[in-house]
Amino acid sequence: AQSVSQHNHHVILSEAASLELGCNYSYGGTVNLFWYVQYPGQHLQLLLKYFSGDPLVKGIKGFEAEFIKSKFSFNLRKPSVQWSDTAEYFCAVNARDTGRRALTFGSGTRLQVQP
Amino acid sequence: DAGITQSPRYKITETGRQVTLMCHQTWSHSYMFWYRQDLGHGLRLIYYSAAADITDKGEVPDGYVVSRSKTENFPLTLESATRSQTSVYFCASSLKTYEQYFGPGTRLTVT
Repeated sequence: AQSVSQHNHHVILSEAASLELGCNYSYGGTVNLFWYVQYPGQHLQLLLKYFSGDPLVKGIKGFEAEFIKSKFSFNLRKPSVQWSDTAEYFCAVNARDTGRRALTFGSGTRLQVQP
Repeated sequence: DAGITQSPRYKITETGRQVTLMCHQTWSHSYMFWYRQDLGHGLRLIYYSAAADITDKGEVPDGYVVSRSKTENFPLTLESATRSQTSVYFCASSLKTYEQYFGPGTRLTVT
């Protein structure tokens, strides 16, 4: 079974700082990769996704992520964070070649942006 | 466009009671999922369904029962609630693509 590791559990940044959140997964087959965001008191929303093609994917609100197959990683980045980016971020993986639709989530990274 | 709704949004119940969490989607998505969210664990899959009358276990199915008689509904029942089932429960759905759309969640407290 696949697993997802998010090594940063809690990140505190000042506004305008650059962000990089790590995500590593353990599965040797073909994967679909996702980043979801959960703003305080809200449900999960899709930030971006990777299915195939260009390993650098751009999502909403200026976020991007890079898929590095050799490192089993899908790190999330944003050049300049805003206070409104304060939220919890979840990386998720789907093992596409199993035919299963379920996602495996990481434990999440809580981002706190200070004004 | 209602999307995906969950009810109740908040529920307090006692140990040993049966409780059902409802999930309804208006998109006619074939796939539906139930996750629980606990601090330090992220989201863990309880059950999922590929279509009406087709369900399968996820990572943490013990103590839960699901049914799906209609495409749009996917209720989750805790047969005899335990304190370890105190959690936030999210329902999600997806169509042909793999991305999932989540409901607002149900915060369940078992006393």
